[in-house]
Amino acid sequence: AQSVTQPDIHITVSEGASLELRCNYSYGATPYLFWYVQSPGQGLQLLLKYFSGDTLVQGIKGFEAEFKRSQSSFNLRKPSVHWSDAAEYFCAVGATGTASKLTFGTGTRLQVTL
Amino acid sequence: DGGITQSPKYLFRKEGQNVTLSCEQNLNHDAMYWYRQDPGQGLRLIYYSQIVNDFQKGDIAEGYSVSREKKESFPLTVTSAQKNPTAFYLCASSIWAGGANTEAFFGQGTRLTVV
Repeated sequence: AQSVTQPDIHITVSEGASLELRCNYSYGATPYLFWYVQSPGQGLQLLLKYFSGDTLVQGIKGFEAEFKRSQSSFNLRKPSVHWSDAAEYFCAVGATGTASKLTFGTGTRLQVTL
Repeated sequence: DGGITQSPKYLFRKEGQNVTLSCEQNLNHDAMYWYRQDPGQGLRLIYYSQIVNDFQKGDIAEGYSVSREKKESFPLTVTSAQKNPTAFYLCASSIWAGGANTEAFFGQGTRLTVV
């Protein structure tokens, strides 16, 4: 069965600092990987996705993520964080042939200090 | 505007009552999903449906039921058998491209509270 681990429950960074959120997955074949962001009381918005090809993917709001098969990781990065980036971030994995259903990590809450 | 609409945004239920959460999409997506979100646990899949009149259980289906009579609609009923129904419920949809995964789009959620 597929699984996702987000080891950091809560991260605090200063505005303007760089950010890296960790995500490790477990899946037997090539996974489909996603990062979503959620503001309090809201639904999830897709930041970026990896299906195949270039292992460095660009997303919205200046985010990027790198797929590393050898490390089973898909870490999310941003060079300079803005106060509006404060939210909860979820990594998810989808498997082929399973109706696009996703397995989510437990999320990382990002706090941005001014 | 295309999207997924969940209603109501807030719902209160007395113990022992069934309640139905609405999810409608106008994206012409084939697949629809219901997730439950609890603090510190991420999202867990309740039910999903690839096509009309067909649906499958997810990881935590006990105490829930669904129907898919129309492509656009996938209502979730939280029954009295669900022991701990207070949670944030999210509906999602995606294109079902012949077995290939595509990204899921989410509604704004319904917060259910049992009083």
